[in-house]
Amino acid sequence: DIQLTQSPSFLSASVGDRVTITCRASQGIDRYLVWYQQKPGKAPKLLIYAASALQSGVPSRFSGSGSGTEFTLTISSLQPEDFATYYCQQTKSYPVPFGQGTKVEVK
Amino acid sequence: EVQLLESGGGLVKPGGSLRLSCTPSGFTFSSYTMFWVRQAPGKGLEWVASISDTSFWIYHADSVKGRFTISRDNAKESLFLQMNSLRAEDTGVYFCARGSRPRGHEGGAASVADSWGQGTLVTVSS
Repeated sequence: DIQLTQSPSFLSASVGDRVTITCRASQGIDRYLVWYQQKPGKAPKLLIYAASALQSGVPSRFSGSGSGTEFTLTISSLQPEDFATYYCQQTKSYPVPFGQGTKVEVK
Repeated sequence: EVQLLESGGGLVKPGGSLRLSCTPSGFTFSSYTMFWVRQAPGKGLEWVASISDTSFWIYHADSVKGRFTISRDNAKESLFLQMNSLRAEDTGVYFCARGSRPRGHEGGAASVADSWGQGTLVTVSS
């Protein structure tokens, strides 16, 4: 089974900061990597699929990159509404686990 | 507008059973893969099960295999999760989600969960 490791688990940042979150897969998954955002008490929201494709309606300050085993989610200029938890998920093969999550907190 | 509404959660004793339902609207249900994903209190997301549009492909996480069963009724436009032999560690919010295959993501085994319900809470406790 493919495992995902996200880092960091917690991140303190300020509005306007550039934020980068990493997701590493235990084996190659091509570009079958998805990123979600979840706010407390809410359902997850799809941000990025195919490693770098922005879901419709998602602000362009979000971007994704990577292929194979290493992927990144970048927020170019953190906004107040971006404080949330971010999860990656691989969809290359079943089972399709999520990473453990990265909580982006106010510094 | 795509909407998904989960129901059927509640308090159940260890060893008991529950059947969750997910009612879709705003899209052609029979054309999409569907998922169940859960989240224990204060924890991360855990994929539970997936079912293809025609129910040909069905997958369950090892943690629920043999106890939970995902199913769907396209005629009645409903998704289900039958949960038996429930354990305390099954406690959490259960989300249903719609799977799609946008351009660039067609080849993977799983679809992308592009729309989610708000979840239903399952509590397993004596």
